[in-house]
Amino acid sequence: DAKTTQPPSMDCAEGRAANLPCNHSTISGNEYVYWYRQIHSQGPQYIIHGLKNNETNEMASLIITEDRKSSTLILPHATLRDTAVYYCIVRPSRMDSSYKLIFGSGTRLLVRP
Amino acid sequence: GAVVSQHPSWVICKSGTSVKIECRSLDFQATTMFWYRQFPKQSLMLMATSNEGSKATYEQGVEKDKFLINHASLTLSTLTVTSAHPEDSSFYICSARELRGSTEAFFGQGTRLTVV
Repeated sequence: DAKTTQPPSMDCAEGRAANLPCNHSTISGNEYVYWYRQIHSQGPQYIIHGLKNNETNEMASLIITEDRKSSTLILPHATLRDTAVYYCIVRPSRMDSSYKLIFGSGTRLLVRP
Repeated sequence: GAVVSQHPSWVICKSGTSVKIECRSLDFQATTMFWYRQFPKQSLMLMATSNEGSKATYEQGVEKDKFLINHASLTLSTLTVTSAHPEDSSFYICSARELRGSTEAFFGQGTRLTVV
């Protein structure tokens, strides 16, 4: 499995954009970049995923560098409810049903009032 | 997205007793379910992979006789912590993957187990 590296913690002011980086320098061509987050004492929540192109949904935007060795998750207008641990995971685009989703240590984002 | 429900949300039990945690996929069929454990301020650690109708596959270091997993149907998997001890106190989370096509995994809300 490709490994990811994320800063252990970040903070941003409420209403500002939160930019969470992730390095995945050993990613292979068929692997997607996925982002999940875990709010305190809850199960992980899917945010977004991408392969090569930048992606946007109602929750966030995902910017993937051209060489695909790193990506950035952007929360355009962070709110207090976005305080959580954010996990960046790489996984194959095709996988059998038993593929295991392995979590790294993630980034603890604190949104300040 | 699809819904995965865990029950109970929290449980307190005495040392030496067994506790069963249920994980249900409410609106889809899950061939595979995953069980994770999470200690305070740590990441999720995969314990085992549960396939419907077959024995679970445990990760290295996880005692299969202590953490019994049953996946008898496409919508239900159970984790039983046998002879629980205080060190088993943790947050247990299940995840389920849909039967066909989808590569996405959906997570339950977690179960907080406290052994006293």
